[in-house]
Amino acid sequence: NAGVMQNPRHLVRRRGQEARLRCSPMKGHSHVYWYRQLPEEGLKFMVYLQKENIIDESGMPKERFSAEFPKEGPSILRIQQVVRGDSAAYFCASSPQGGQPQHFGDGTRLSIL
Amino acid sequence: AQTVTQSQPEMSVQEAETVTLSCTYDTSESDYYLFWYKQPPSRQMILVIRQEAYKQQNATENRFSVNFQKAAKSFSLKISDSQLGDAAMYFCAYRSRYLGGSEKLVFGKGTKLTVNP
Repeated sequence: NAGVMQNPRHLVRRRGQEARLRCSPMKGHSHVYWYRQLPEEGLKFMVYLQKENIIDESGMPKERFSAEFPKEGPSILRIQQVVRGDSAAYFCASSPQGGQPQHFGDGTRLSIL
Repeated sequence: AQTVTQSQPEMSVQEAETVTLSCTYDTSESDYYLFWYKQPPSRQMILVIRQEAYKQQNATENRFSVNFQKAAKSFSLKISDSQLGDAAMYFCAYRSRYLGGSEKLVFGKGTKLTVNP
């Protein structure tokens, strides 16, 4: 039973480029959460999605960041016009429904040159 | 807003000994979950143990147990018979339990645990 799959594992972008991070939840899970971990910090919540709906985006920066979880396919976290400060590890988690434990993927480490 | 504080940036323990990691939190809610997650150098986030606030009994999972003091808003993790594989960052986390409440996990900054052979 595959866990939460995130790809790529590592992503390198130059300033001004776009970064797309993908997350496939565990089988049977329809709730997805994105977190960001800056160096030497704990994880910070970004956004919570169900299929085709954004439920809570209170942790998302107001500009350049967006997330989606389409009816078919993985959830995508998109960062436009990346800057050095976007360098971080981005984790995705999933659960079968609200109120259930969140299972984490291995994260995507984003490096901005 | 809820906050989680881990006051020990680093801890060390001898193999086979016991260590306790501290965590305090602040919330105005009465019903919630508390978690300890382990993050080894591979960066995976592994759930170690979960506590439901309405349960008075402290959760245990093999060598891992918690001391949950609801009135003091304290949630410490005790690791018994420490093993080299326990070396990792440990994060304490909070989540609301209210239906319709926030599903987000609120994390502390972590404690780096070193296990000495």
